[in-house]
Amino acid sequence: DGGITQSPKYLFRKEGQNVTLSCEQNLNHDAMYWYRQDPGQGLRLIYYSQIVNDFQKGDIAEGYSVSREKKESFPLTVTSAQKNPTAFYLCASSIQPTGIHEKLFFGSGTQLSVL
Amino acid sequence: SQQGEEDPQALSIQEGENATMNCSYKTSINNLQWYRQNSGRGLVHLILIRSNEREKHSGRLRVTLDTSKKSSSLLITASRAADTASYFCATVNTGFQKLVFGTGTRLLVSP
Repeated sequence: DGGITQSPKYLFRKEGQNVTLSCEQNLNHDAMYWYRQDPGQGLRLIYYSQIVNDFQKGDIAEGYSVSREKKESFPLTVTSAQKNPTAFYLCASSIQPTGIHEKLFFGSGTQLSVL
Repeated sequence: SQQGEEDPQALSIQEGENATMNCSYKTSINNLQWYRQNSGRGLVHLILIRSNEREKHSGRLRVTLDTSKKSSSLLITASRAADTASYFCATVNTGFQKLVFGTGTRLLVSP
């Protein structure tokens, strides 16, 4: 059953704590993305990666970090430098070379809240 | 910054009626995509239309693109209660730098 798996579904962060959101895909897609969604708003791009060991910042990368050591995995770390981390985080992937940023497949999301 | 703006913000219709949502954007684009999001879930890609295309169909979906007006519309015909969701347009600029989402239209289809 191919798809994108995000875990956990709900995550709570304490002040000063780093937390890592997991994203795994078995679609054999080259490109992976992280978006943030705030209530009643559209999605904003945090980071994306076109190939293993390479990634680019999106519009709101400050306070976040990523790694792409394997094609299947693209974890997102929300660092203590991100002062307003409460949001719904969505991971996505797309096949290449049909086109970067086209026809994204999304995971079911992680809701991050601050304690 | 968000490129697309959907209109209306919310739409409530009865089953069987058609639903039309509009999207306006600001810069030159390579393509425009429509996505659906059920509450608390991820997005699902519906349809992609390229800048050199004017109309595309997929099942009960019809998308139009007017690059001179920088606008697109999504028509859902013969709507069903299962179509209840938020619908987002998203654009890829000509530099392929990123996919930029609008703020979405919330569609409610009542039985």
